[in-house]
Amino acid sequence: GAVVSQHPSWVICKSGTSVKIECRSLDFQATTMFWYRQFPKQSLMLMATSNEGSKATYEQGVEKDKFLINHASLTLSTLTVTSAHPEDSSFYICSASYRESGEKLFFGSGTQLSVL
Amino acid sequence: EDKVVQSPLSLVVHEGDTVTLNCSYEVTNFRSLLWYKQEKKAPTFLFMLTSSGIEKKSGRLSSILDKKELFSILNITATQTGDSAIYLCAGTPEYGNKLVFGAGTILRVKS
Repeated sequence: GAVVSQHPSWVICKSGTSVKIECRSLDFQATTMFWYRQFPKQSLMLMATSNEGSKATYEQGVEKDKFLINHASLTLSTLTVTSAHPEDSSFYICSASYRESGEKLFFGSGTQLSVL
Repeated sequence: EDKVVQSPLSLVVHEGDTVTLNCSYEVTNFRSLLWYKQEKKAPTFLFMLTSSGIEKKSGRLSSILDKKELFSILNITATQTGDSAIYLCAGTPEYGNKLVFGAGTILRVKS
C-alpha cells in the first residue's frame, strides 16, 4: 500500500516552455503532498507543501510564480515549471502522506527535467 | 534554522563489512527522525525513531536515536552490493510533517 506515482519520469524541453509534473497517490488519500528538488549528489530540498483545496506553502527562496502547484484533489498534485530555463534542470520529486501515516512520507519516483 | 547533518558524506566498503552512518540534528520541537534509502529515484522508508535508546531492526539494518545528544546512527552489517545507495536522514518538528533532510551519505559496497 501507500504508492505514489509521479509522471513523467523524465522530460526534455526548450528554454521558455512550461512543463507539468503530476503526482498521484494511488491507494490512499493524500492530505498533504510535498515537492522537493534534488541536485546531483545533494539532498532533497523542500520547495513547497501542498494541502488539498488550499494554496501551497512555498519555502523561502522558491518563486511561487515560477513553480505553480495545484492540489485539486486528495489524490493528485501538479507542479508546473513555467518558462523553464536551463538552471531549472534538476530532479523533482514529490511525496505524500495521509492522516494516519503522520510524518512518514511516501515518495514518487521523481522527474528528471532537462531544459535545453 | 532547523538543520540535519550527516556523516560521512561518502563511504566505500567491501562486501561483508559493517558500516555506521551518522546523523545529527537541530530541529525545533523535534518529534521524530526518519531514515530513507535512495537507490536511483524514489527514497524508500527504512526507520522512524521517536524514542531515545530503543533500537529498531530490520534484517541487517538497525538504527537508534539519542535525543539527549541529538543524533542517530544507522548500522548495516554484512554489507552487500545491493546496499549501495544514498542514505538520507530527516528530522521532523513537532507540528506538521515537513521533513528536514540531511545531505545524505553515499554508500558504495564493492564486491
